[in-house]
Amino acid sequence: NAGVTQTPKFQVLKTGQSMTLQCAQDMNHNSMYWYRQDPGMGLRLIYYSASEGTTDKGEVPNGYNVSRLNKREFSLRLESAAPSQTSVYFCASSVKGSLKNTEAFFGQGTRLTVV
Amino acid sequence: AQKITQTQPGMFVQEKEAVTLDCTYDTSDPSYGLFWYKQPSSGEMIFLIYQGSYDQQNATEGRYSLNFQKARKSANLVISASQLGDSAMYFCAMREGGTGRRALTFGSGTRLQVQP
Repeated sequence: NAGVTQTPKFQVLKTGQSMTLQCAQDMNHNSMYWYRQDPGMGLRLIYYSASEGTTDKGEVPNGYNVSRLNKREFSLRLESAAPSQTSVYFCASSVKGSLKNTEAFFGQGTRLTVV
Repeated sequence: AQKITQTQPGMFVQEKEAVTLDCTYDTSDPSYGLFWYKQPSSGEMIFLIYQGSYDQQNATEGRYSLNFQKARKSANLVISASQLGDSAMYFCAMREGGTGRRALTFGSGTRLQVQP
């Protein structure tokens, strides 16, 4: 049972380059999320998708785009990377239902450095 | 406005002692859930415990318990009999609404260090 799988685990980009972070879950979850984690700031929501075919901006969406390709996959794209986007990125998924069982399951994270 | 506040950037505790990690939250939604996660140095996010706003009793999961004080809007995590393996970052998070459609909002975290 793989859970939530993110690729790549590490990436170094030059300023202005683009890249896509991939995320896939095999738990049949409806909801998927992208967070970034910076020191002292916890996890901040970039985008989320409550269900297949829908996406919504989170707290820090500028500089990012997302695609909910199907129920399993939710990708995050940086069109023109900036040093401020150096961070650890987490993909997560959860069921959509009563609150009790909606804890998010997280991928292992992608450590991105923009130089 | 920040919805989850963790005021303790770092905490120390002696092995085998209990420790309380503070979390306060802000919401006008009567239906919400509170979650605690552990993040060891390896980086993964591990779900620990859940408390619903309508739950009458404080949640417990093994050595973890949640001191839920609804009127004060606090949901403190209590770890009993601390172990060296409890050294990690701990995050409090909240999800508003009864449908589970909304994302988790996280606090800034508390780094717990357990000393032998």
